[in-house]
Amino acid sequence: SQKIEQNSEALNIQEGKTATLTCNYTNYSPAYLQWYRQDPGRGPVFLLLIRENEKEKRKERLKVTFDTTLKQSLFHITASQPADSATYLCALGPITGGGNKLTFGTGTQLKVEL
Amino acid sequence: SAVISQKPSRDICQRGTSLTIQCQVDSQVTMMFWYRQQPGQSLTLIATANQGSEATYESGFVIDKFPISRPNLTFSTLTVSNMSPEDSSIYLCSVGTGNEQYFGPGTRLTVT
Repeated sequence: SQKIEQNSEALNIQEGKTATLTCNYTNYSPAYLQWYRQDPGRGPVFLLLIRENEKEKRKERLKVTFDTTLKQSLFHITASQPADSATYLCALGPITGGGNKLTFGTGTQLKVEL
Repeated sequence: SAVISQKPSRDICQRGTSLTIQCQVDSQVTMMFWYRQQPGQSLTLIATANQGSEATYESGFVIDKFPISRPNLTFSTLTVSNMSPEDSSIYLCSVGTGNEQYFGPGTRLTVT
């Protein structure tokens, strides 16, 4: 069955450092992969999408890589700030032509400390 | 982008009762999705609701338990029927535009 794994343990880093979060998947060939941010008591907020034929995508301090051979995506936040503290979810899109249905990972909580 | 509101934001209900959650979008959308997020868990898709047709339910979710209405392109409701404590969760609606999804703030349901 399809499985998406994210680090269940919280990631604690110092302000200014680069945070790197991992998303691994098995038994799946997604057309694209997305990253979301979720704050307590809020719905997820879309951050970035990377397609199966793309290796890397950047947006401001965010960078996402997508390795379909390793079945892994890495999510980087450079120059991290306390305001970046949140839970980050990866979500896999369906195979091409499969509509908009997403499958979410369990998320990794990031804490950026002063 | 899309702005989504949900009502109620939270509720505490007794077992055996039903709760209807409303989802309003600020623009017309074809597909709306209902998710459940149990404590410490990720989001699980309950069903996809298209206007003018029956909702499509995911494995493990049935219409009798989670009836959905989609009367127009900006509104949907999800009812959680005959509730038990296991239904305590956050329920989220979302809409997909292109390959992005936008989520409502969620409805936190506690069943006692």
